[in-house]
Amino acid sequence: DIQMTQSPFSLSASVGDRVTITCRASQSISNYLNWYQQKPGKAPKLLIYAASSLQSGVPSRFSGSGSGTDFTLTISSLQSEDYATYYCQQSYSLPLTFGGGTKVEI
Amino acid sequence: QVQLQESGPGLVKPSQTLSLTCTVSGGSISSGSYYWSWIRQPAGKGLEWIGRIYSSGSTNYNPSLKSRVTISVDTSKNQFSLKLSSVTAADTAVYYCARYDSSLGRFDPWGQGILVTVSS
Repeated sequence: DIQMTQSPFSLSASVGDRVTITCRASQSISNYLNWYQQKPGKAPKLLIYAASSLQSGVPSRFSGSGSGTDFTLTISSLQSEDYATYYCQQSYSLPLTFGGGTKVEI
Repeated sequence: QVQLQESGPGLVKPSQTLSLTCTVSGGSISSGSYYWSWIRQPAGKGLEWIGRIYSSGSTNYNPSLKSRVTISVDTSKNQFSLKLSSVTAADTAVYYCARYDSSLGRFDPWGQGILVTVSS
């Protein structure tokens, strides 16, 4: 199985801050990496697919980068509605696996 | 647009079989290069992929659960289902169904999720 490791586990930030979340794969996954946002009591929502492609309807302050084993999700200017937990997910091989999540708090 | 909705019992006794159904609306379960997946999330924890099915009936399961999982599809009802046998308290979780786009490798959309508690 491909292990996905996210860092940090949690972070505190203020509105307007630039936020960066990292995801590392245990082996190369090319660009087969997605990012999801999950708010309490809700299902995850797709933000970024194929490492850097913005899902339709997602604000442009979200961006993704990386290839191989190291990936980054960046929120350029944090908004109040962005407080949530973020997960990465690899689609390179089965079983499909997720990172442990990064909680973004005030 | 396509929407998914989970249904089934919210309480299952230990050693019994958990059974859930996901109903797809706004589109055909048989169209496109999509797999239909189940994912679960224990309270306060991360996401675990359980398995997926294509409209033809072809399945893939997470090896960690493979011996206990069966996913099936009913194209006439536009539904797919999950059965997890011999459940224990460790299977208590929110269970989500989701569409998996195999060409882009992404889960979208997701159902709202259903909490299943394993307890006597």
